Amino acid sequence: EDKVVQSPLSLVVHEGDTVTLNCSYEVTNFRSLLWYKQEKKAPTFLFMLTSSGIEKKSGRLSSILDKKELSSILNITATQTGDSAIYLCAVEPNSGYALNFGKGTSLLVTP
Amino acid sequence: GAVVSQHPSRVICKSGTSVKIECRSLDFQATTMFWYRQFPKKSLMLMATSNEGSKATYEQGVEKDKFLINHASLTLSTLTVTSAHPEDSSFYICSAPDRGRPYNSPLHFGNGTRLTVT
Repeated sequence: EDKVVQSPLSLVVHEGDTVTLNCSYEVTNFRSLLWYKQEKKAPTFLFMLTSSGIEKKSGRLSSILDKKELSSILNITATQTGDSAIYLCAVEPNSGYALNFGKGTSLLVTP
Repeated sequence: GAVVSQHPSRVICKSGTSVKIECRSLDFQATTMFWYRQFPKKSLMLMATSNEGSKATYEQGVEKDKFLINHASLTLSTLTVTSAHPEDSSFYICSAPDRGRPYNSPLHFGNGTRLTVT
C-alpha cells in the first residue's frame, strides 16, 4: 500500500528561526513529489520535485528530493508569522493519478 | 494559467437535504477529476475519481449512493452529497490533471467547499 509520512506532525518556532520539514514515501511507479501550503482553504502549490538532488528554491523556501532515501525535505529560513500553516507533502504515483497525501506538518511561527 | 473553479465555497444545509458541489476546469479539458475530503486538522483523503463519460471509481469505505459523482462534460464534474447528515460536514475539494500540461506542472485544485450540515 502506498504511504506518505510527514514529520514532525506539528512544530512551534519563533520568528526568524529556520525549520526543516520531512517527508518520506513508499509508492509504486513514482512520478513526482509535491509540497503544498494550506491555510484556511485549498492547498497552495509550492514545489514539484521529480529529480533527485536538485534543489528547488522560492524566496525563503527550498526543497530537495532524495530518491535513494525515498524522502524529501522542505526548508523555510527566517520564518515569519505568515508562514504559519499546514504543510502537505504528496506523491503522484503516475501521470494524472490521484495524489497520495501525508498527514501534514502544522507549523506555528510565534512573534 | 489553468484554473479549476469550485463552488459553492461554503454551504450550510439542514439534515436530510442534498447539496451539489461543482468543479469546472476553465481553460483545459479535465477528463479526470479527483474528489477529496478533509476533516479538521487531518489530511486530504481521496474519495473518488470521476472520468468523463464513465462511472466514477470510489475509494474503499466511500458510499456511492451517498456521494453521487457526475462527470457530464470535459469541463464539469459534480459531487452531490445526498441526504446530508452532520457527520458529512467537512471540507470537500476537487483536483484535476491537465493532460496537456508540461511534465513538470502540478495538478490543479479547486478552492474547496466547506459544508456544514445542521
